[in-house]
Amino acid sequence: QVHLQESGPGLVMPSQTLSLTCNVSGGSISSGNYYWSWIRQPAGKELEWIGRISVSGTTNYKTSLKSRVTISLDTSKNQFSLKLNSVTAADTAVYFCAREEVDCFSSGCHEAWFDPWGQGALVTVSS
Amino acid sequence: DIVMTQSPDSLAVSLGERATINCKSSQSILYTSNNKNYVAWYQQKPGQPPKVLIYWASIRESGVPDRFSGSGSGTDFTLTISSLQAEDVAVYYCHQYYSTPPTFGGGTQVEI
Repeated sequence: QVHLQESGPGLVMPSQTLSLTCNVSGGSISSGNYYWSWIRQPAGKELEWIGRISVSGTTNYKTSLKSRVTISLDTSKNQFSLKLNSVTAADTAVYFCAREEVDCFSSGCHEAWFDPWGQGALVTVSS
Repeated sequence: DIVMTQSPDSLAVSLGERATINCKSSQSILYTSNNKNYVAWYQQKPGQPPKVLIYWASIRESGVPDRFSGSGSGTDFTLTISSLQAEDVAVYYCHQYYSTPPTFGGGTQVEI
């Protein structure tokens, strides 16, 4: 059974870069047909998708965050990472990593639901 | 971006009674090529990540109790808990994966 776990600093200074890593265990990040995503949730608010990466390295990002986000994959370490630069207090949230199912049929392949999720990492942006 | 609007924001239901949560998408999330609705439902308990309950609008994830069911098509979807149990107290979210970016509803808090 695949398990995901986020790690990284819980406190980041304003204007600095938020860096998180998601370690994948119980299976290879390269096997199967999946995308690997980051999702965040400010306290008491709804879930916001940040971006995804495929095993081939193709990335997609939420438009409003695209200029500040980088998601990368390290297959040798079985992990993927998130970098969000120029952070402000508005970036304070619980950050989740998640595996995104991919459904393939005659018309091609399409992203689907998220399962499993990591436990989440609280990142606070404050001086 | 597709907006997912959930209602109600919160819901208090007696043990053993039915809970119904609605989700409306700002455009159809029915993919006509395969006749599938690109919506999932999640349960999130305090301090835990979301857990998928339903995908393709009505397919129950393995291990999810059969008191949970999903229905709907096009733009209107419903998650029903047929007989509420104490362990079902949680926030429930709908999620569309029809187009990027994937988006979530605002959540519905279910209480006893």
